Amino acid sequence: EVQVVQSGAEVKKAGEPLKISCEGSGYRFGSYWIGWVRQMPGKGLEWMGIIYAGDSDTTYSPSFQGQVTISVDKSTNIAYLQWSSLKASDTAIYYCARHGGGGTYSFDHWGQGTLVTVSS
Amino acid sequence: EIMLTQSPGSLSLSPGERATLSCRASQSVFSTYVAWYQQKPGQAPRLLIYGASNRATDIPDRFSGSGSGTDFTLTISRLEPEDFAVYYCQHYGSSPPMYTFGLGTKLEI
Repeated sequence: EVQVVQSGAEVKKAGEPLKISCEGSGYRFGSYWIGWVRQMPGKGLEWMGIIYAGDSDTTYSPSFQGQVTISVDKSTNIAYLQWSSLKASDTAIYYCARHGGGGTYSFDHWGQGTLVTVSS
Repeated sequence: EIMLTQSPGSLSLSPGERATLSCRASQSVFSTYVAWYQQKPGQAPRLLIYGASNRATDIPDRFSGSGSGTDFTLTISRLEPEDFAVYYCQHYGSSPPMYTFGLGTKLEI
């Protein structure tokens, strides 16, 4: 069974760094892309970027380029999303999701989300 | 950059009724690149439809997708109580690689 499991909720102060994680299991991790999606409180979905677990090839949304870093450790089947210096406006739920591949151009398995709360 | 406009913003219907949700792209797109998701409160999104009309694994056949060019539709033939949720359309753009979501349609009882 394919599973995507994210790390737990975080409460941070503005200016602090943060790295959250996303572990895939039940499939060949290195053969799929993993995407990250932000959902601000009461708002819709925003695509942040995507990484290929096999070789770390990464594409960022222009809106998030330079604001976050996406990485992956193929040896542990974990993808990461990190900030060097959080802002209050980074408060949101962050989802990772496996890209379905095979010409589906969609995300077929989602993590449960990680709530990040940043106080000013 | 392709923009997706979903309409209506919210829709009130009763169980057993038919729901028709629209997603309009700002320019013509390949239907292969269009997907639909369902999100219930407190839950992650769930993939319903990919390639505009292909149901994802384990999605009931009351959900169907259609469309081409700029206009795409998600239809729920007979609403069940568990179908009341927010629905998002999504497009993949290849140059540069980019995923775009619509703002969503809230389907209410």
